Amino acid sequence: AQTVTQSQPEMSVQEAETVTLSCTYDTSESNYYLFWYKQPPSRQMILVIRQEAYKQQNATENRFSVNFQKAAKSFSLKISDSQLGDTAMYFCAFRHAGGTSYGKLTFGQGTILTVHP
Amino acid sequence: KAGVTQTPRYLIKTRGQQVTLSCSPISGHRSVSWYQQTPGQGLQFLFEYFSETQRNKGNFPGRFSGRQFSNSRSEMNVSTLELGDSALYLCASSLGGRTDTQYFGPGTRLTVL
Repeated sequence: AQTVTQSQPEMSVQEAETVTLSCTYDTSESNYYLFWYKQPPSRQMILVIRQEAYKQQNATENRFSVNFQKAAKSFSLKISDSQLGDTAMYFCAFRHAGGTSYGKLTFGQGTILTVHP
Repeated sequence: KAGVTQTPRYLIKTRGQQVTLSCSPISGHRSVSWYQQTPGQGLQFLFEYFSETQRNKGNFPGRFSGRQFSNSRSEMNVSTLELGDSALYLCASSLGGRTDTQYFGPGTRLTVL
């Protein structure tokens, strides 16, 4: 079974600064996808970024980028130029790309990020 | 394109009752997955439906069930409610392939008294 671990329950950052959220995962599979989702106080889960395990290049989406280290099974999220609207719970998630794991995301425990003005 | 919608948004029930939650996926999406979110257990996968068939299920008791209709709308049902069923129930839709990204609805907050 896959497990996802987020070791930072809470983080805080000043507006306009950079912050990195950590995530490690455990799997014996070679074909999988990794995601970061954010869940603001409104509770709507929003996709931030997605990484295919077979791609060596780290995914980026505007101010959001990842550092994907496949051998180390590490998948951290870097948020640059932090904004007040980035305040949310951030979840790292794993999805197996084969077998019978249809529709199943395995989530970490989440990291609460607070951006201070 | 409209996002995933869930109804109702809030629900209060008492122990022993049953409840039905509804999820309408993004137009064109044929897969709907359900998750339970609690402070203690975090986000846990309940089940996934595609073309009216359950393709995958998580480790939940049989009191939790679901179905999907021909228009891809999905419902989940919880019978004989327990206090521990109080949670935010999220559904997510996708095109249905193994690699497709899931998009989440706003959730239904269920409180069991």
